[in-house]
Amino acid sequence: AQSVTQLGSHVSVSEGALVLLRCNYSSSVPPYLFWYVQYPNQGLQLLLKYTTGATLVKGINGFEAEFKKSETSFHLTKPSAHMSDAAEYFCAVRGIYNFNKFYFGSGTKLNVKP
Amino acid sequence: DADVTQTPRNRITKTGKRIMLECSQTKGHDRMYWYRQDPGLGLRLIYYSFDVKDINKGEISDGYSVSRQAQAKFSLSLESAIPNQTALYFCATSSGNYGYTFGSGTRLTVV
Repeated sequence: AQSVTQLGSHVSVSEGALVLLRCNYSSSVPPYLFWYVQYPNQGLQLLLKYTTGATLVKGINGFEAEFKKSETSFHLTKPSAHMSDAAEYFCAVRGIYNFNKFYFGSGTKLNVKP
Repeated sequence: DADVTQTPRNRITKTGKRIMLECSQTKGHDRMYWYRQDPGLGLRLIYYSFDVKDINKGEISDGYSVSRQAQAKFSLSLESAIPNQTALYFCATSSGNYGYTFGSGTRLTVV
């Protein structure tokens, strides 16, 4: 069965510091991978996605993620955190047997300290 | 107007009551989904639908039912609400490979 693991339910960084949110997936073949962001009292918004091709994917708001097949990882990074980045972030993987299903990690709440 | 609209945004209901959550979309997507979000558990799939004649159970369908009234409308019902159905509910749509568009959510409290 497919699954997504997000290491760290809460991450705290200082404004201007590097943001690193971890995501590992289990899949027998390289899946499509996604990062979503959820701001308070809002739905989830797509940050970025990896389908095929270049393994470094750039998304909105300065975020990027790198697909590493050997490590089954898809970590999300941002060089310099901004207060407005405080939110909850979800990693997700598209089903490999059912392309219409997506599996979500349990989420990581990012706190940005002034 | 939002691409995916959920109503109501917030609802408090009593145990045993029937309640319906509604979702409509203007994306033109065929696929629609209902998810439930609980703290620390991420999102769990309740039901999904590929078109008006196709309804599928997700991971946690017990206690829920759905109706796909039209391509653009997908409603979720709790036939007899119970307190552990207190959660944030999201409707989402998809055109296929490239992820979801989510509604803003319905916060449901069952007392």
